[in-house]
Amino acid sequence: DGGITQSPKYLFRKEGQNVTLSCEQNLNHDAMYWYRQDPGQGLRLIYYSQIVNDFQKGDIAEGYSVSREKKESFPLTVTSAQKNPTAFYLCASSMLFEEGYTFGSGTRLTVV
Amino acid sequence: QQQVKQSPQSLIVQKGGISIINCAYENTAFDYFPWYQQFPGKGPALLIAIRPDVSEKKEGRFTISFNKSAKQFSLHIMDSQPGDSATYFCAASKSGNTGKLIFGQGTTLQVKP
Repeated sequence: DGGITQSPKYLFRKEGQNVTLSCEQNLNHDAMYWYRQDPGQGLRLIYYSQIVNDFQKGDIAEGYSVSREKKESFPLTVTSAQKNPTAFYLCASSMLFEEGYTFGSGTRLTVV
Repeated sequence: QQQVKQSPQSLIVQKGGISIINCAYENTAFDYFPWYQQFPGKGPALLIAIRPDVSEKKEGRFTISFNKSAKQFSLHIMDSQPGDSATYFCAASKSGNTGKLIFGQGTTLQVKP
């Protein structure tokens, strides 16, 4: 079945460590997105990518980095510069110029 | 500023009642307005969407009402069921913007049996 796979589902890291969240899609979608979800704040865009080897900052990119070396993959690295990294992270994809996202099941990151 | 404001933040409805969630937007260039449903621990899923050329769209118990002049749109859930208990997000985007959606803050709906 086509879809988006995020892994792991739960992730625990010590403060000061970088951590990478995986996002893979087999929908042949061009665009991919990373959102952060916090209670009462909705979905805030971190980074998005429309084509391979290109990506754009979203509204809250500070402390995060991404890469898009393959169409199917869009990993997100939460760096030690992110001041409040504990959150639920959602990856999504869509066809370019077509509306509607397909979301993954999310990764809950807890930094202690 | 491209922003979508959603209300209420939380909603409690009795089984069989009508749930109503409202959203307002600022950018008149927006021309696609979807609603997403999210269950705990899951990613959001597209529920229903509307374009500004129609004032209402219905799919089963879910209806979107759209008021272009007021720059508002709302989700109505008729005959609400406990299984509808979830978080609902409205969103908006404009054509040619590579589909980048602007999301509202979310509404947590609880339907009591």
